[in-house]
Amino acid sequence: ETGVTQSPTHLIKTRGQQVTLRCSSQSGHNTVSWYQQALGQGPQFIFQYYREEENGRGNFPPRFSGLQFPNYSSELNVNALELDDSALYLCASSLGFAGGKEETQYFGPGTRLLVL
Amino acid sequence: GENVEQHPSTLSVQEGDSAVIKCTYSDSASNYFPWYKQELGKRPQLIIDIRSNVGEKKDQRIAVTLNKTAKHFSLHITETQPEDSAVYFCAASTLAGNAGKSTFGDGTTLTVKP
Repeated sequence: ETGVTQSPTHLIKTRGQQVTLRCSSQSGHNTVSWYQQALGQGPQFIFQYYREEENGRGNFPPRFSGLQFPNYSSELNVNALELDDSALYLCASSLGFAGGKEETQYFGPGTRLLVL
Repeated sequence: GENVEQHPSTLSVQEGDSAVIKCTYSDSASNYFPWYKQELGKRPQLIIDIRSNVGEKKDQRIAVTLNKTAKHFSLHITETQPEDSAVYFCAASTLAGNAGKSTFGDGTTLTVKP
């Protein structure tokens, strides 16, 4: 197993609510990427944070926002939840621009979000 | 943006047979191609990866080939075992500062029958 952790493991919300998901990166990793994985599909890139700055964003609306903290842990915030936001949310950490095997991503176990 | 297509969506083989999963990508700038295995209810785990300056890479029973001209890459699993049963995802990304920004295929569900 990787050293990447996520909380909570499961979450149930209702439409219109807001949610915050958390990710602790593997020790020494300064880059965190967030993905949304709908049932039966591959993960879709939401955004990436490198040293507390957003470093790229996928095709997701502004109600998906994030933060990265000085210890490189990260949060994903989703406002005005919609039914289609129900999915597994994965974070992945990597070394970023440090060189060597910087591209290898290590995924956390995910947070399963259900929006009713 | 990048688009990755993966085939087949399901694959069933007998134990001991080989399995091949194919992916195509659209962005010629993509230069890093990882493969992940995801078991039911678990996180994706990297099983092998290849960079665009290499045509083939092997790790025991698993190999990946890359054809940059045709923009396709394939995963080959030999001597399959029941524990190889899982969903396999290919991905493509452009390195040079965007290590984690991968575009994934929709996955192949591999079933290895004993």
